[in-house]
Amino acid sequence: QLVLTQSPSASASLGASVKLTCTLSSGHSSYAIAWHQQQPEKGPRYLMKLNSDGSHSKGDGIPDRFSGSSSGAERYLTISSLQSEDEADYYCQTWATGTWVFGGGTKLTVL
Amino acid sequence: QVQLVESGGGVAQPGRSLRLSCAASGFTFGDYGMHWVRQAPGKGLEWVAVIWYDGSNKYHADSVKGRFTISRDNSKNTLFLQMNSLRVEDTAVYFCAREVPGDRIDYWGQGTLVTVSS
Repeated sequence: QLVLTQSPSASASLGASVKLTCTLSSGHSSYAIAWHQQQPEKGPRYLMKLNSDGSHSKGDGIPDRFSGSSSGAERYLTISSLQSEDEADYYCQTWATGTWVFGGGTKLTVL
Repeated sequence: QVQLVESGGGVAQPGRSLRLSCAASGFTFGDYGMHWVRQAPGKGLEWVAVIWYDGSNKYHADSVKGRFTISRDNSKNTLFLQMNSLRVEDTAVYFCAREVPGDRIDYWGQGTLVTVSS
């Protein structure tokens, strides 16, 4: 079964960096994912597609502070030079024929 | 620029029906797959349904299968979600989203709130 696992929460200081993790279920380590950001009271926003080799393609207007990387079944989103507007929920998402799956989301707090 | 604007949400009693719409602009609607994704109050995102760019294929989540139907009108650049036999647990904000065919979701709407309550 295709499942994505995320830690419920993370925190980091203003100006610092943070690395969020999304883990693919067993047998699915080659899958690409997408990262989406949801600021409070807003609709989600596509950040990037992240492939198993770590290559990624970002959405329109996504700052260079956002980057992605991969290792095995883990997919990472790194946000550097944290700003207050980065405080949001971050969701990973993947897909296969007939199946579209979201992780449970990570709530990022900027201290 | 790409815009997706949902409408049709509101309050409905259990067992009743609602029809959501999503008006698309800023891109060639008929070239893209489209999804509905929902978010219950205080919860995460839940995928609901997808329809291929040409309407030839549709998939629905098990939680809504047999009750909800996704459809589209490419001549009017509009996506629909017909929701029948509504349940209290269908209460959520419903988002439409664009899919690059066979690939990622890359644009989202702002959502429309559906409340199912007696």
